[in-house]
Amino acid sequence: AQTVTQSQPEMSVQEAETVTLSCTYDTSESDYYLFWYKQPPSRQMILVIRQEAYKQQNATENRFSVNFQKAAKSFSLKISDSQLGDAAMYFCAYRSTGANSKLTFGKGITLSVRP
Amino acid sequence: DVKVTQSSRYLVKRTGEKVFLECVQDMDHENMFWYRQDPGLGLRLIYFSYDVKMKEKGDIPEGYSVSREKKERFSLILESASTNQTSMYLCASSLYPTSGNTIYFGEGSWLTVV
Repeated sequence: AQTVTQSQPEMSVQEAETVTLSCTYDTSESDYYLFWYKQPPSRQMILVIRQEAYKQQNATENRFSVNFQKAAKSFSLKISDSQLGDAAMYFCAYRSTGANSKLTFGKGITLSVRP
Repeated sequence: DVKVTQSSRYLVKRTGEKVFLECVQDMDHENMFWYRQDPGLGLRLIYFSYDVKMKEKGDIPEGYSVSREKKERFSLILESASTNQTSMYLCASSLYPTSGNTIYFGEGSWLTVV
């Protein structure tokens, strides 16, 4: 079974600075998807960024980018120019490519942004 | 935009009651999921359905059942609610991973069992 580990329960960043959130996963599959979701206080889960394992290029969405290291099974999220609205819980998640695959989540990390 | 709607946002139920949590999606997605979210435990999968009338147990199915009679609707049932089922429940949906891999979430249902 796949597992996703987010070892840091909390992080803090100064507004306008850069922060990196760590995630590792364990799988025996060669093709899969990885995601970062954001959950603000409203509790609505919002997709931040996704990566397909067969693509070597790291995904980027505006201020959000990932460092995908397939051999190391590492998938970190970098937030540049942090804003107050980035304060939320962030979840790393894994999904295999099978038709009946589920999404497996890490335990999440709470990010606070200092003004 | 994909919309996943959980009709009940906040519920308070008594121990032993039968509880229905309803979820509807409007994008013709094959896959639907029910997760439970608790502090320090992240999101844990209760059940998922990969098509109408098809269901599969997730990681914590005990005490729960599901129903998927129509493609757009996926219901979570607590046959006899207990206090340890007090939690936030998240519904989600997606296409088959081969067609589109992003999973979309509803706003959550807060259930308190007293």
